Amino acid sequence: QKEVEQDPGPLSVPEGAIVSLNCTYSNSAFQYFMWYRQYSRKGPELLMYTYSSGNKEDGRFTAQVDKSSKYISLFIRDSQPSDSATYLCAMSLSGAGSYQLTFGKGTKLSVIP
Amino acid sequence: NAGVMQNPRHLVRRRGQEARLRCSPMKGHSHVYWYRQLPEEGLKFMVYLQKENIIDESGMPKERFSAEFPKEGPSILRIQQVVRGDSAAYFCASSPRGQVGAGNTIYFGEGSWLTVV
Repeated sequence: QKEVEQDPGPLSVPEGAIVSLNCTYSNSAFQYFMWYRQYSRKGPELLMYTYSSGNKEDGRFTAQVDKSSKYISLFIRDSQPSDSATYLCAMSLSGAGSYQLTFGKGTKLSVIP
Repeated sequence: NAGVMQNPRHLVRRRGQEARLRCSPMKGHSHVYWYRQLPEEGLKFMVYLQKENIIDESGMPKERFSAEFPKEGPSILRIQQVVRGDSAAYFCASSPRGQVGAGNTIYFGEGSWLTVV
């Protein structure tokens, strides 16, 4: 079982739709959870960062963490064609070793105008 | 404020040659990380460095790969005697502190794409 599982997609939605992206993980020691967006042939760009369980909202993006289920989500409201990219979940431990991020494989999203 | 700078962006090497990838961290960041992204795979941690010190190289292949972050100048990821399986995107990242936490996140560069022919 991989440490972080993420459905690679591809996921195709019409413009304006609500997008739900998810990751599951096996290591209950993960404490910090991040979502990165990666455009083709570009570096990952940090979108959202959350600590432990709960929700965090930033504009059209909402990140959710459910530690009891080892499940994290990213919701994108009113999706735009510019949101078309690969979305990577990442997580890390707390304290010593927290510098090392463990990534999912990424979900490729296409938002159709 | 410039981000993490990597060069070259694209590099082609023949089997057996050496590849050198350079990374300048964001201003004010003294912690550097290298990750590798193989085709159809997620990003994998390779090494974590601070100035003049390798802190964790647990993700580095045991042979042919080395990394440094000298007192002056960029961090270097060096791959000797490259093979086709080394073809990948290599990403450098930096952070102001070594532990991910409140106010401390990791920012990635644009990557260096290595192709071995």
